[in-house]
Amino acid sequence: EAGVAQSPRYKIIEKRQSVAFWCNPISGHATLYWYQQILGQGPKLLIQFQNNGVVDDSQLPKDRFSAERLKGVDSTLKIQPAKLEDSAVYLCASSPDRGPTEAFFGQGTRLTVV
Amino acid sequence: GNSVTQMEGPVTLSEEAFLTINCTYTATGYPSLFWYVQYPGEGLQLLLKATKADDKGSNKGFEATYRKETTSFHLEKGSVQVSDSAVYFCALWGTDSWGKLQFGAGTQVVVTP
Repeated sequence: EAGVAQSPRYKIIEKRQSVAFWCNPISGHATLYWYQQILGQGPKLLIQFQNNGVVDDSQLPKDRFSAERLKGVDSTLKIQPAKLEDSAVYLCASSPDRGPTEAFFGQGTRLTVV
Repeated sequence: GNSVTQMEGPVTLSEEAFLTINCTYTATGYPSLFWYVQYPGEGLQLLLKATKADDKGSNKGFEATYRKETTSFHLEKGSVQVSDSAVYFCALWGTDSWGKLQFGAGTQVVVTP
């Protein structure tokens, strides 16, 4: 079974530029998560989708971050404009359904804002 | 709101030593508890889980028991190997509203030969 795919693996941008990350979850997984992991910290949930609907985006900085999940499958996370403090690893994860089941993580995208 | 607190690292051990990583949580209701591990250069992966009080999760020689009375889920391994060097994250799935997976700050473990 293929795992969660993310791209790109690394991205360096200047502040105030925009950037987008892509995630392809495991086939058939209804729940998709985007986490932000700042160096030395645990992953922080940015947004959670159930199929193509948002069920939690309480920690998403909506003035600059946006996310969508097309047809309940792939997802993109966008930052516009980026700030220095957005430098982090952005993790995508998926799980089969809502509930305390295992979440499968991608390798992440390491973003550096200079 | 819900939260997870882990002991700070790094924890440095010699091979075959006993490992304990403390994890406590704050949550309403009855959350499910997890330990995830991140090996160098790899993504997060589930190590073990427990879904109700007094459950014991185990995998790869690691164990953790869900203690509701002390709101804890400490991770233990009796004899660590160099290959156990990684960052370990305690996490909970809260039962409030929709439910979501929240992580602690992580504890880096370094095992030396």
